Amino acid sequence: DAMVIQNPRYQVTQFGKPVTLSCSQTLNHNVMYWYQQKSSQAPKLLFHYYDKDFNNEADTPDNFQSRRPNTSFCFLDIRSPGLGDAAMYLCATSREMGAADTQYFGPGTRLTVL
Amino acid sequence: AQKITQTQPGMFVQEKEAVTLDCTYDTSDPSYGLFWYKQPSSGEMIFLIYQGSYDQQNATEGRYSLNFQKARKSANLVISASQLGDSAMYFCAMRNRDDKIIFGKGTRLHILP
Repeated sequence: DAMVIQNPRYQVTQFGKPVTLSCSQTLNHNVMYWYQQKSSQAPKLLFHYYDKDFNNEADTPDNFQSRRPNTSFCFLDIRSPGLGDAAMYLCATSREMGAADTQYFGPGTRLTVL
Repeated sequence: AQKITQTQPGMFVQEKEAVTLDCTYDTSDPSYGLFWYKQPSSGEMIFLIYQGSYDQQNATEGRYSLNFQKARKSANLVISASQLGDSAMYFCAMRNRDDKIIFGKGTRLHILP
């Protein structure tokens, strides 16, 4: 089945130790997104890629970076995780960015910072 | 400015009853899409149903239907014959052309046996 895959599902890191989260998709969608979601809140968009074009949200901290080496894969790098970065990280894709383009989400990676 | 409002932080419903989750939206763009997602405790955001701003009929997907009232700018989700597995967080979302999706704050639904 075509889908959005995230690895790992659970990640534990230490304060200040860089961590990379991975997302892949078999939908061949042009757009890939990274969201941060804290408990009982709506997902917050960090950035998205339209093909190779990177779009950062204005309030995304510099500590968060992303790479998209090809259509299928997208990575979220957290350079120096702080305790406040503990959250669920959701990857999503959409075919385009039209009003009718549904976003499909992966299962998420739950990040713990010790 | 675009805005999505979900006024029910939590709801308790008896199993097998129908439930309506409220959602109102605001946008100045005549072309937009409305979406509902379900998020169980496992964390995955599951797409449920889509309604386009130009669609004449209310969207339906199995037990889910979207009560679209364009003049009132509301897009309520109706779940018929609720099941225990429907217990989850539900997010209403909207997307304009060439723009990012925005989410409401969500409604936590509890189905009681």
